Amino acid sequence: DSGVTQTPKHLITATGQRVTLRCSPRSGDLSVYWYQQSLDQGLQFLIQYYNGEERAKGNILERFSAQQFPDLHSELNLSSLELGDSALYFCASSVALAGGAATQYFGPGTRLTVL
Amino acid sequence: SQQGEEDPQALSIQEGENATMNCSYKTSINNLQWYRQNSGRGLVHLILIRSNEREKHSGRLRVTLDTSKKSSSLLITASRAADTASYFCATSRLYGGSQGNLIFGKGTKLSVKP
Repeated sequence: DSGVTQTPKHLITATGQRVTLRCSPRSGDLSVYWYQQSLDQGLQFLIQYYNGEERAKGNILERFSAQQFPDLHSELNLSSLELGDSALYFCASSVALAGGAATQYFGPGTRLTVL
Repeated sequence: SQQGEEDPQALSIQEGENATMNCSYKTSINNLQWYRQNSGRGLVHLILIRSNEREKHSGRLRVTLDTSKKSSSLLITASRAADTASYFCATSRLYGGSQGNLIFGKGTKLSVKP
């Protein structure tokens, strides 16, 4: 158990709909990262938040948005869903170390199926 | 786009044998990490090696890093059926005072037969 929790585990929805994925980081971790894993694209970084502020953006579509709340949990919002958005969505968290490197701990993921 | 490329894409061995997976990457890195993923489940962190380290051990795992060749290898000794999983290398660059996002390779699918 990494200490990172994600809900829900599975989500089945229809095209055009909007969903919200939730992540709670490990206690004390200030950074939250979102990744998407699909068969054709592999594991792709979407976005990073640190202590409530957006820090880095990757291959995140405009239809997707995220935020990190004062209690440090994060939500990833996916809207106008398309079939191609079906994937595993992972959240990871880490301790920010100035000038250093830190392990990212991954949650169990949310499997999104768009029908 | 992927930074790392694992090799081989798939590996099948017998229990007790050693498994070696390789990873190559393209740009300068701050560190390199290896993760394991059991089928469709979450990623489990195995080991982190910094750019100024050449070798690191953790139990039955041995990781090497050659920054001049931009490559790393993961060796699992005395493999077990429970080691069956996909293994990914991931690299990162430093963003300000905190770690940047991880860039993953496509993974090596390891199958250990009892």
